[in-house]
Amino acid sequence: DIVMTQSPDSLAVSLGERATISCKSSLSILDISNNKNYLTWYQQKPGQPPKVLIYWASTRESGVPDRFSGSGSGTDFALTISSLQTEDVAVYYCQQYYSPPLTFGGGTKVEIK
Amino acid sequence: QVLLRQSGPGLVKPSQTLSLTCAISGDSVSSDFAAWNWIRQSPSGGLEWLGRTYYRSKWSYDYAVSVKSRITISPDTSKNQFSLHLNSVTPEDTAVYYCARVAFRVSPVWGQGTMVTVSS
Repeated sequence: DIVMTQSPDSLAVSLGERATISCKSSLSILDISNNKNYLTWYQQKPGQPPKVLIYWASTRESGVPDRFSGSGSGTDFALTISSLQTEDVAVYYCQQYYSPPLTFGGGTKVEIK
Repeated sequence: QVLLRQSGPGLVKPSQTLSLTCAISGDSVSSDFAAWNWIRQSPSGGLEWLGRTYYRSKWSYDYAVSVKSRITISPDTSKNQFSLHLNSVTPEDTAVYYCARVAFRVSPVWGQGTMVTVSS
């Protein structure tokens, strides 16, 4: 199984400041045939299903604010919120869909400092 | 726009079978580029993939080792939906259950979630 390790577990950032979450996979999730990394970043707020923010590691989902960006390739990935807003308080998860079982990181809780 | 609508009971007795259905609109369960998944989220918050079905000339299935002996995912082409059946449930199966489309070519789509409690 591909293990997804997220860090930190929680993060407190001042409004308008940058927040960065790391996600590492135990095996490469890069498909060399098309140069796509099969990694999704989700945002989850209480009582709601996870919302797709980023897929293919760096492609922003339609309608997602451009302060959210994804980066990385192979085994090391990051989600960056360039200027934290109040509505960004949530738990963030990474997930690999390169091979079954699909696996998730443990989540990072983002709060306002 | 692809939408997944879940249905099924929110309360199941121990040792019985948990059954949920995910109705698909805007895509086909027989799509040759998508896979149809079930995922659950425990009360503690962790996300666990349970399994998937997909069609590539024939139907295929992958299941998580943790539930492999108890799970069946069934596509229904006549109703364009797929179902989850998890038998011999215990209180540890209490969770929010989600269906989801995962495809290499497009972004994932999730259902709204169903809270299932296992209790007598």
